[in-house]
Amino acid sequence: DSGVTQTPKHLITATGQRVTLRCSPRSGDLSVYWYQQSLDQGLQFLIQYYNGEERAKGNILERFSAQQFPDLHSELNLSSLELGDSALYFCASSARVSPNSPLHFGNGTRLTVT
Amino acid sequence: GQQLNQSPQSMFIQEGEDVSMNCTSSSIFNTWLWYKQDPGEGPVLLIALYKAGELTSNGRLTAQFGITRKDSFLNISASIPSDVGIYFCAGGDGNSGGSNYKLTFGKGTLLTVNP
Repeated sequence: DSGVTQTPKHLITATGQRVTLRCSPRSGDLSVYWYQQSLDQGLQFLIQYYNGEERAKGNILERFSAQQFPDLHSELNLSSLELGDSALYFCASSARVSPNSPLHFGNGTRLTVT
Repeated sequence: GQQLNQSPQSMFIQEGEDVSMNCTSSSIFNTWLWYKQDPGEGPVLLIALYKAGELTSNGRLTAQFGITRKDSFLNISASIPSDVGIYFCAGGDGNSGGSNYKLTFGKGTLLTVNP
């Protein structure tokens, strides 16, 4: 158990809808990362937060947004969903934003858009 | 953006055999990490490497941070059925203590071990 908790585990929704994925980092970790994993693209970095502030953006669509709250949990919001958004979404956390602070992943949310 | 070339894409081996996989990049990384992902779960950190040339072991796993900082390999000795899964390399860049550290992942090596 990595200590990173993601909910829900599975989500099935229709195109055009909006969903929110939730992540609780490991106790004491200040940094949260979101990744998207699809079969053909592997693990793609979406966005990173540190202690409530956005620190880095990757290949995140404008329809997607995220935030990290004062209690350090994070939410990833996906709107105007398309079939191609179906994927596994992983949250990871680390103690600091540092090369010496490796990422620990949750078990992911599997999103299916129909 | 940065890309990692991970090979092989898949491997089919017999139990007891040794396995080797590697990652290469055209860019320099400050850290190399190796993760394993089982079906339905998130990637789990196996080994973290922080210095060029560093060789680190974790049980039957050994990984090295290439001298050029552009590559890394992972060896698994005496494979067992529970080694089955997808192995990912990840290169970390950005400065220590800075705000821009991030990981770039390879596309994974699918390992199948035949008992």
